[in-house]
Amino acid sequence: GQQLNQSPQSMFIQEGEDVSMNCTSSSIFNTWLWYKQDPGEGPVLLIALYKAGELTSNGRLTAQFGITRKDSFLNISASIPSDVGIYFCAGQPSGSARQLTFGSGTQLTVLP
Amino acid sequence: GAGVSQSPRYKVTKRGQDVALRCDPISGHVSLYWYRQALGQGPEFLTYFNYEAQQDKSGLPNDRFSAERPEGSISTLTIQRTEQRDSAMYRCASSIGVSWETQYFGPGTRLLVL
Repeated sequence: GQQLNQSPQSMFIQEGEDVSMNCTSSSIFNTWLWYKQDPGEGPVLLIALYKAGELTSNGRLTAQFGITRKDSFLNISASIPSDVGIYFCAGQPSGSARQLTFGSGTQLTVLP
Repeated sequence: GAGVSQSPRYKVTKRGQDVALRCDPISGHVSLYWYRQALGQGPEFLTYFNYEAQQDKSGLPNDRFSAERPEGSISTLTIQRTEQRDSAMYRCASSIGVSWETQYFGPGTRLLVL
């Protein structure tokens, strides 16, 4: 099946710092999505990207759909303690209708 | 308002037994998705429904896995003759339909096969 390479696997940062994480694929994706998962909860959608080159913000979060359609990144600015969690990228492979492929996640820890 | 609910939250079963996992989507949501999530991994697509019709079951690992949504609302994922490798978190999600990618996930059912 499709594979998404998400990096880094984990990050430890100081409160107030900026964070960047990314996902790459070996094949073209039509849609890129970023989710956050808190302990004991299901993933919650943060940002959805629909076309190559698109740059979208949601508060302190910014994500971009790579121009090759094979990658995406998520930036979090001025991190706060509640940013702690697992961040997943997900994408809709070209030709797959409504099937989402998820990355393996980035575990973010924010130190006070 | 109520979100997606799943039951049971935890299920421990012996190898060879059948299990049925239930998902109750957000009221009015047309589409319902089933995922499996292994520890330390992202959700893995299993199958999805529009109303009562199963549109894509390509992610079901083998014929021991089946799902139904007979009235276009509640869905059941059934695993027959469970094996230890079936142990995982099983998540359900639903969406309005038009904005299919805006999927609202449930809390999941943690399945442990002994």
